[in-house]
Amino acid sequence: QVTLKESGPVLVKPTETLTLTCTVSGFSLSNARMGVSWIRQPPGKALEWLAHIFSNDEKSYSTSLKSRLTISKDTSKSQVVLTMTNMDPVDTATYYCARIRGGSYKWFDPWGQGTLVTVSS
Amino acid sequence: EIVMTQSPATLSVSPGERATLSCRASQSVSSNLAWYQQKPGQAPRLLIYGASIRATGIPARFSGSGSGTEFTLTISILQSEDFAVYYCQQYNNWPPLTFGGGTKVEIK
Repeated sequence: QVTLKESGPVLVKPTETLTLTCTVSGFSLSNARMGVSWIRQPPGKALEWLAHIFSNDEKSYSTSLKSRLTISKDTSKSQVVLTMTNMDPVDTATYYCARIRGGSYKWFDPWGQGTLVTVSS
Repeated sequence: EIVMTQSPATLSVSPGERATLSCRASQSVSSNLAWYQQKPGQAPRLLIYGASIRATGIPARFSGSGSGTEFTLTISILQSEDFAVYYCQQYNNWPPLTFGGGTKVEIK
């Protein structure tokens, strides 16, 4: 059974850097056809894709947030880490990680439960 | 960036009726479109990929159709557990991968 679980701070202050960890099980981050994406959802709003990473270390970022995002992985720990710099209250959202397939098959399945991050002083 | 537009924003349907949700892409995405269901307080769940292929374990009452820029998700006989928000997502041109704004299916 494939599962993903997000972890990180519940509250961050404006201008701080957010670090989120996604721990996966049931598949390997060394699998050539599998990757992990981060997606966020502000309260009551739609989904927004942020970034993804694959086993060959191929990375891709949201064009609007690229300057603030870094994604990395630790295959031995089955973890994918997302950092977002210079946090602002508008970044308040539930952050999800999800498995993504490689090649042309870039849909998300399954998703983690999500973690709500609030940005406030 | 490909913009995905879903309509209507809210759809009021009675249990047992059919629901038809629309998703439009700002340019062709071929059949590279997925649909997700999200219930309150839960993560999204994949329903459909490749515009019309049901994901594992998804009931047959969910069907997807379309290609290019116009797509439809149909729920043939609405069950109580189907009242939720539905999102479309294109994966033809990226970055970025983009989602629609969602359609809320509510009880009439």
